[in-house]
Amino acid sequence: DAKTTQPNSMESNEEEPVHLPCNHSTISGTDYIHWYRQLPSQGPEYVIHGLTSNVNNRMASLAIAEDRKSSTLILHRATLRDAAVYYCILRDPSNTGKLIFGQGTTLQVKP
Amino acid sequence: KAGVTQTPRYLIKTRGQQVTLSCSPISGHRSVSWYQQTPGQGLQFLFEYFSETQRNKGNFPGRFSGRQFSNSRSEMNVSTLELGDSALYLCASAMLTESTDTQYFGPGTRLTVL
Repeated sequence: DAKTTQPNSMESNEEEPVHLPCNHSTISGTDYIHWYRQLPSQGPEYVIHGLTSNVNNRMASLAIAEDRKSSTLILHRATLRDAAVYYCILRDPSNTGKLIFGQGTTLQVKP
Repeated sequence: KAGVTQTPRYLIKTRGQQVTLSCSPISGHRSVSWYQQTPGQGLQFLFEYFSETQRNKGNFPGRFSGRQFSNSRSEMNVSTLELGDSALYLCASAMLTESTDTQYFGPGTRLTVL
């Protein structure tokens, strides 16, 4: 299973953009890049996913490098409710139902 | 739509006992996956069930088992409990019409083994 590397922690100020990086140099051509986050005392929740092109949804944007060896999750305006552990996960389409979580990035948002 | 529900939310057992945890997926979801979360190992995949069949399995000992019923509800069983089994057990459901379908997680069952 391909692995991802993320910084252990990051800090942001409220209402400022946040860029959460993820390195995945061993990504295969069929792996999707997924992001989940886990708020305190809750189960993980889906944030966004993509394959090659940049993606936007109501929660965030995902910027994928041209060689796909890295990606960045962008929260456009961080709020206190965005404080969570963010996981970058490579999803092999043939490996159904299985998410391989790394250590993730703990995001602190300061008021 | 109701989310994924897990029962019980908290459980205390002693070493050597066995435990059964329950998960009710979102209506219409046929895939249920189980994960163990501990401070030391993080989130680890246990197994996945789809249409009552185990389709994928993580690297856990045979003491960890599961099953899925015809209504997609799933149970996870841990026999001969060890102290190291203390963890948050999370279940996630997915429709899986595509292999990249979103997984929706429940709040988890906190198991403490004394």
